Amino acid sequence: DGGITQSPKYLFRKEGQNVTLSCEQNLNHDAMYWYRQDPGQGLRLIYYSQIVNDFQKGDIAEGYSVSREKKESFPLTVTSAQKNPTAFYLCASSTQNTGELFFGEGSRLTVL
Amino acid sequence: QKEVEQNSGPLSVPEGAIASLNCTYSDRGSQSFFWYRQYSGKSPELIMSIYSNGDKEDGRFTAQLNKASQYVSLLIRDSQPSDSATYLCAVRSGGYNKLIFGAGTRLAVHP
Repeated sequence: DGGITQSPKYLFRKEGQNVTLSCEQNLNHDAMYWYRQDPGQGLRLIYYSQIVNDFQKGDIAEGYSVSREKKESFPLTVTSAQKNPTAFYLCASSTQNTGELFFGEGSRLTVL
Repeated sequence: QKEVEQNSGPLSVPEGAIASLNCTYSDRGSQSFFWYRQYSGKSPELIMSIYSNGDKEDGRFTAQLNKASQYVSLLIRDSQPSDSATYLCAVRSGGYNKLIFGAGTRLAVHP
C-alpha cells in the first residue's frame, strides 16, 4: 500500500525542548513538504524539498529545521526557537508532473 | 504576496441540493488549481484538480475555472451529510510545485 506515514500522531512537549516529527513516503515522489495548520486557518508552508539533499524555506521557516538525506524521508524538527509550536503538522509529497499534493495523516503537537 | 481567498462559511445546504464553493486568487500567472476536502481533525484529501479554463466533472463534483476572472469553484451535486467538511482551495504558481492554500469553506449538509 503506497502512502505517507507520519509519526507520532500526537506529541506533547515541554517548553524549551526540541522535537522531531517523522515523515516517510513510499510513493516514489521527488518532492516533499511540511505544512502547519492552526485552528480555523489554512495551511502554511514551512519547508519543501524538490530532490534529495536540497530543501528550501517556505513562508514560516523560523524555528524549524529539516533534512532530506533519503528520497523517502523528510523529518521536521521543531526547535525551542519556535515561539508558538502548538499546531497540526502535515507532511505531503508530490510528483513533479501534476503538482498534486498527497498528505499524511498529520501530527498534532501540543506544548505544555 | 500571493493570496487565495475563500468564504469561511459555514455554507449550509439541505441534503440533495447543489453546494457551490468559490475561490479567488491573486496571481494571474497561476497554472494549476486544486480542491481538497478536510474532515474535522483529519488531513486534507485531494478531490479535484483543474488546469485549463472550463469545467471538469468527476462524479458528483464539478470544478470550474475562469482564469480571466481569477476564479475557481467547486460544485457538489446531490449533497450528502457525509459531504460536511471544510473544503480547501489550493493554487500552484511559479515553476515549482508549491501550493498556496485558502483558509477553507466549511460546508454543512443537513438532512
